[in-house]
Amino acid sequence: NAGVMQNPRHLVRRRGQEARLRCSPMKGHSHVYWYRQLPEEGLKFMVYLQKENIIDESGMPKERFSAEFPKEGPSILRIQQVVRGDSAAYFCASSPPAGPVQTFGSGTRLTVV
Amino acid sequence: AQRVTQPEKLLSVFKGAPVELKCNYSYSGSPELFWYVQYSRQRLQLLLRHISRESIKGFTADLNKGETSFHLKKPFAQEEDSAMYYCALRKWNNAGNMLTFGGGTRLMVKP
Repeated sequence: NAGVMQNPRHLVRRRGQEARLRCSPMKGHSHVYWYRQLPEEGLKFMVYLQKENIIDESGMPKERFSAEFPKEGPSILRIQQVVRGDSAAYFCASSPPAGPVQTFGSGTRLTVV
Repeated sequence: AQRVTQPEKLLSVFKGAPVELKCNYSYSGSPELFWYVQYSRQRLQLLLRHISRESIKGFTADLNKGETSFHLKKPFAQEEDSAMYYCALRKWNNAGNMLTFGGGTRLMVKP
């Protein structure tokens, strides 16, 4: 079992470009969670998804950010028109439907230049 | 609303000293609490769950409902314990399962 796979590990974008972060959950996990970790800060919840369904997006910024988890393929976190303040580590976690434990990926470090 | 508070952003101790990382929560239901650890530039890993009542890497944590706390303790800190520690509270809603994380405490163990 490969665990939660996130790619890319590092992503550099210029201001105004789009960033696409991918997360493949662990085998058998149908719930995906995205978190953001700003430099020198803690982990902040962004969004919780099940297949083809957003369950809770209370932590997502209202503009430029979107997330999906299609029936086939990985979950995608999309950031449009990136700004310097979007530079952070973005972590994805997954869990089985009734399981309490979330397993985390290695994260994607986004740098906006 | 549920909330997890870790009052210390940074805790610095010497090797061999006791460690206590504080975690307080507010939750109207029956809480389920976790500690996660993140070593330098690595992914978060589950350290322990209050339900398991186990000791992992010498760490223990007891749920105190009266004080709404779930402090993480270790009697003798080791340098390899240096990491970021997150306390988390499980929340059930109609749709499923979520974790609310505290702000994290960075533990530095000095030689």
